[in-house]
Formats: sequence, C-alpha cells, structure tokens
Amino acid sequence: AQTVTQSQPEMSVQEAETVTLSCTYDTSESDYYLFWYKQPPSRQMILVIRQEAYKQQNATENRFSVNFQKAAKSFSLKISDSQLGDAAMYFCACMKTSYDKVIFGPGTSLSVIP
Amino acid sequence: DGGITQSPKYLFRKEGQNVTLSCEQNLNHDAMYWYRQDPGQGLRLIYYSQIVNDFQKGDIAEGYSVSREKKESFPLTVTSAQKNPTAFYLCASSSGRAKNIQYFGAGTRLSVL
Repeated sequence: AQTVTQSQPEMSVQEAETVTLSCTYDTSESDYYLFWYKQPPSRQMILVIRQEAYKQQNATENRFSVNFQKAAKSFSLKISDSQLGDAAMYFCACMKTSYDKVIFGPGTSLSVIP
Repeated sequence: DGGITQSPKYLFRKEGQNVTLSCEQNLNHDAMYWYRQDPGQGLRLIYYSQIVNDFQKGDIAEGYSVSREKKESFPLTVTSAQKNPTAFYLCASSSGRAKNIQYFGAGTRLSVL
C-alpha cells in the first residue's frame, strides 16, 4: 500500500527567508506522480507543484521548487523568499496512475513571521 | 468559469437523519473524489469514481454512500450509520488530460445538532 509521511507537523520561517518541508513516501510502483498542495486558512486546496517520477529534473514553479530523490523516496518542497501569503497547511501527495486514488500525507502547518 | 461547486457550505444533521452533500464540476474531468478532513488532520478518502456509473470505496467508506449517474455530478450521502459525521468534506476532480492535478471545491462543513 502507498503511504505518505510528513515528519514536521509545524514549521515557521521568517519573511523573505527560505524554508524546506519534508516528505517521504512508499510505493512499489516505478511510475507515479507526486504533488504538493496548499490549504490556506480559507481551506481552499490548491496545487503548488507537481512532479512525474520518470522525470529526473526537479520541478520548479516561481519561488517553489522540489528536491526529488527517487531512490530515497523523498520529495521535499523548498519555498524561497517566503511571503506572508505562504502561511498555510501544506500536504504532500502521491498518485499511482491516472484516475487512481491520491494518498495524502498528514500535512505541515507553515507559519510566516513578519 | 470552470471549476467545482460544493453545496451547501454549512450543513447540520439531526440524529438518525441522512444528509446529502452536492458536488458538481464543469471541467469535463473523468475522475471525482470525496475526502473527509478532521480538525488539524490530513485528507482521508471516502469514495472515488473513475468513470460514470462506477465508483470505489476509499479508506473510510463506512456510513457513506455515493452515486455517479452523470459525469458532472458526484453527490455524497452521509447516512445515519455514520456515528461521527462532524467534519469538513472536500470534493475534487481530476483528469489525465489535466496532468492528474486534483481540483478542489470550497468544501462543506457538516455538524451534528
């Protein structure tokens, strides 16, 4: 069975600084998809970044980037130049194949200190 | 505008009552999902549907039922058998054509009277 672990229930970062959120997963599949989703206080879940397991290159989206280590089954999220609007719950997720179920981690609550 | 609409935003259930949460999408996505989120916790999968007229149980399906008669709609019924229904419910949809990204509705907060 697939599992996703986020070992940091809470994190904080100073505004304009960089923070890294950790995620490890377990799957027996060779091809799969990995995601980071953000849930701000409004509770509207939105995608932050997406990675396909067959791609070795780490995904980046503006201030957000990942460190994907397939052999170690690690998928960390780096947020650069943190902004107050980055304060939210962040969920790591893994999906086996198209249309399959998505397994979410327990989440990391990120606070941004002005 | 394309998106997912969940209604109502707030819902109250009396003892022994079944209630139905609505989820509609106009994104032309094949797959739809229902998640339950308890305070300070992650998302747990209740049911999901990969195609019309077919659906699969998730990790916590007991006390819930769904139907998928139309591609656009995936209603969730919380039955009286669900003894602890108070939670935040999220509906999502995805498609292989849309890179398997899950698009979420704004959620329904269900409370027991």
